[in-house]
Order: sequence, then C-alpha cells, then structure tokens
Amino acid sequence: EVHLVESGGGLVKPGGSLRLSCAASGFTFSAYSMTWVRQAPGKGLEWVSSISSNGVYIYYADSVKGRFTVSKDNAKNSLYLQIHSLRVEDTSVYYCARIEYSNVFNYWGQGALVTVSS
Amino acid sequence: DIQMTQSPSTLSASVGDRVTVTCRASQSISSWLAWYQQKPGKAPKLLIYEASTLKSGVPFRFSGSGSGTEFTLTISSLQPDDFATYYCQHYSDNSWAFGQGTKVEFK
Repeated sequence: EVHLVESGGGLVKPGGSLRLSCAASGFTFSAYSMTWVRQAPGKGLEWVSSISSNGVYIYYADSVKGRFTVSKDNAKNSLYLQIHSLRVEDTSVYYCARIEYSNVFNYWGQGALVTVSS
Repeated sequence: DIQMTQSPSTLSASVGDRVTVTCRASQSISSWLAWYQQKPGKAPKLLIYEASTLKSGVPFRFSGSGSGTEFTLTISSLQPDDFATYYCQHYSDNSWAFGQGTKVEFK
C-alpha cells in the first residue's frame, strides 16, 4: 500500500527557514516523480514544486521560485522541501504527492501545517 | 501560463440531484485535465484523469467530459458522501494549475 507521511511543519517567524520531509513507502520511490502542493487556510490548492524520479528535473511555481528548494533522496525513500525567507502568506498545509504518468497526483500524504507568524 | 476557472464557486444541492461543475481553460489543453475531491481536513482524492477516465474504485455516478477549453464534472445522483469541494487540475510545460474549487453543499 502506498503511504506518504509529511513531517517538519510548525510555527516559524517571518524570515525564518524550515525543511519539510515526506517519507514514502509501499512503492518503488526511485521510479516516480514527486510533487508538493500547498493549501492556505480556507483557500484552494496551489501547486508548489515537482521533481523528477532521479532528481534531475526540478520545477517551481513562480510564487516560490528562489525561496523553496525541492530534493529527493531515493536511498532514503524521502522527499524534501527546504523553505527560506518564510512569509506570512506561506502559511499553509503542505502536501506531498506522487505524480502518475498522466501528470496527475494519485497518492497524497496527510499534510504538514506550516504557520508563519511573529 | 494557462489559467483554470471553475464555476460555480459554490453549489447548493440535495441528495439525488444531478450536479455539474465546469472548468474552463484560458487556452486549449486537449484532454489533459483531472478532477479531485477534497473533504475538510483531508487530502484531496483523484477522481478522474485525462478528462473522462474514472480512477479505479471511484463510483460510476462520477463522470467527466470535455476537451479543448471546456470541461465538466458530473455527479449523476448526489450522495451524502459527495458533499465536498471539487478541483480541476491541468498540467502543461512543466507546470501544474488547479481551479479555485467548487464547494458542493446541502441545499
């Protein structure tokens, strides 16, 4: 069974940094591209970043480019999102998800809440 | 970037109603469109991909149609478990985009 578990969320002051992790199990992690999607409180879904199966190809939404860094450790079956220069508007639940061949997100984690507040 | 616009933003309906949600793309996207269902406090769930292909295990009362710039999600007979928010999603040029969501609530 595919299982994705995010961790690393919490309360951070504006300007701070945070690293989110996504632990994967139940599938061959190295064979899949992965993605991060976030959702601000009471708002819709926003795609954040995606990374190819081997970590070579990386893509970011314009809203996070330059501040967010995605990485993938296939040996540890883990996906990461490093966030720098956090802003109040980055407050969201951050989900990791597995990308399928049709470029859709078939399996999702439960989400990690990041709150940016002074 | 291609923009996805959903309508309506909120839909009030009763159990047994036929419900339709529309998603329009700012330019043609062929059939590269997916639909997700999300309930409060939960992660989204994939319902339909490639505009009309039902994910295995999703009830047949859900269907998708459309191509080009206009797409619809239809629930043929709304069930109590279907009250949720629905999102369309598109991929192109190494970028993904979601519609703003349609909340289906009790009338």
